[in-house]
Amino acid sequence: QVQLVESGGGVVQPGRSLRLSCAASGFTFSNYGMHWVRQAPGKGLEWVAVILYDGSKKYYAESVKGRLTISRDNSKNTLYLQMNSLRVEDTAVYYCARYQHGFIDFWGQGTVVTVSS
Amino acid sequence: QSALTQPPSASGSPGQSVTISCTGTSDDVGGYDFVSWYQQHPGKAPKLLIYEVSKGPSGVPDRFSGSRSGNTASLTVSGLQAEDEADYYCSSYAGFNKWVFGGGTKLTVL
Repeated sequence: QVQLVESGGGVVQPGRSLRLSCAASGFTFSNYGMHWVRQAPGKGLEWVAVILYDGSKKYYAESVKGRLTISRDNSKNTLYLQMNSLRVEDTAVYYCARYQHGFIDFWGQGTVVTVSS
Repeated sequence: QSALTQPPSASGSPGQSVTISCTGTSDDVGGYDFVSWYQQHPGKAPKLLIYEVSKGPSGVPDRFSGSRSGNTASLTVSGLQAEDEADYYCSSYAGFNKWVFGGGTKLTVL
């Protein structure tokens, strides 16, 4: 069955960096685009970024453009989110999710990122 | 891109039907057939309920149905059950390789 397992979250000071990972299994990872979606405490879902199946194209929400970078390693079945210049408002649960044609069909359980001094 | 507009709360008694709205613009909900709905229980990951406006994935009860009129999409939950108490989110493709979510609706089963 499809499994997405995020890791790498933690507590970090404003301005610092963090890299999240998402290990995929149960499907052919290299055939699917992947998203990152986040959820601030007590808030709704916010789309962050998407990467095509082969990593050739990447797209970002305006709120993270230039600071967060999505990437993937299809040989390791792993999705990444490099987070630089972190802000307090980046505090959230970060979910990786599988992209189908126009929608998300599977989500990971999420990893918590807290940006605080 | 601005978040889609959902009512913050909805409620119904067991066995009743409840409809949750999701209002966007012609640049998202009204412009593409890529409207989807997700259910999220507290502390859990979201789960896909509806995709492409009105299609249900296998394994999702047909008590959940989706529709759209103009720039407003709707999710209807028929025959409410206690386990339907959760947060519900709509989402839409918004063009230019961007996606947008609604603010979420907390459904209470009375």
